[in-house]
Amino acid sequence: GEDVEQSLFLSVREGDSSVINCTYTDSSSTYLYWYKQEPGAGLQLLTYIFSNMDMKQDQRLTVLLNKKDKHLSLRIADTQTGDSAIYFCAESLSGGGADGLTFGKGTHLIIQP
Amino acid sequence: EAGVAQSPRYKIIEKRQSVAFWCNPISGHATLYWYQQILGQGPKLLIQFQNNGVVDDSQLPKDRFSAERLKGVDSTLKIQPAKLEDSAVYLCASSLLWGGNTGELFFGEGSRLTVL
Repeated sequence: GEDVEQSLFLSVREGDSSVINCTYTDSSSTYLYWYKQEPGAGLQLLTYIFSNMDMKQDQRLTVLLNKKDKHLSLRIADTQTGDSAIYFCAESLSGGGADGLTFGKGTHLIIQP
Repeated sequence: EAGVAQSPRYKIIEKRQSVAFWCNPISGHATLYWYQQILGQGPKLLIQFQNNGVVDDSQLPKDRFSAERLKGVDSTLKIQPAKLEDSAVYLCASSLLWGGNTGELFFGEGSRLTVL
C-alpha cells in the first residue's frame, strides 16, 4: 500500500538552507509533490517532480528524487520568515488528477531569527 | 480566477448531531476531492468525483458520511451522526480532468469541524 513518511519538525536559522526529507513506499508512484500549508489556509502546490527525473530546480527550491531509495527531498535556499509553514510530501500513482494524492503527515518548518 | 470555495469555515456541534459542508470548485474543473485532515496529520482522501460520478470512495466511512455532486459542479459532504473522532478540517480540492501537465490539486481553505 501507499505510505509517505516525513519528520515532523525542522528548525533553521533565517538565511540558511532548509532540507525537508520524505520517504515513500510505492515504487509505482509516477508523480511526487511538495505542498505548503500556512496557518488557517488550504494547501498550495510548491513544486512537483516526475519519476523519470532526478532533480528539479525552481528559483529557491530544489527537489531531489532518489528512486532506488524511494527518497524525496526539498531544499529551500536562503530561508525566510515567510517560509514558515507545514510542508507536505505527496505521491500519485497516475498523476494528472486521475487519482487522489497520498500525503505525509507534514513537516513543520520553524525559522529562527 | 476564483479559487475553491468552501463553507462554513467553522462548525461546532455535539456528538450524534449532523453537519453538512459545501464546496464549489474552480470553474471547469471536472475532478473534485474531499479530504479529511485531523490535527497533526496529513490530509486523507475521503472521496473523489469526476463530473458527477464517484471514482473512489474506499476510505469514506459510509455508515455516517455521505457526499454528492449532483450536477457535476458543487458538492456537499454530510456527516450523520457525528462522532468525537470526526473533529478535523475537511478540505475540498479540484483539478482538471487529467490535471494538465502538473496534476495539481487546488485546495479550498477548509471547513473546521469540532465535535463536543
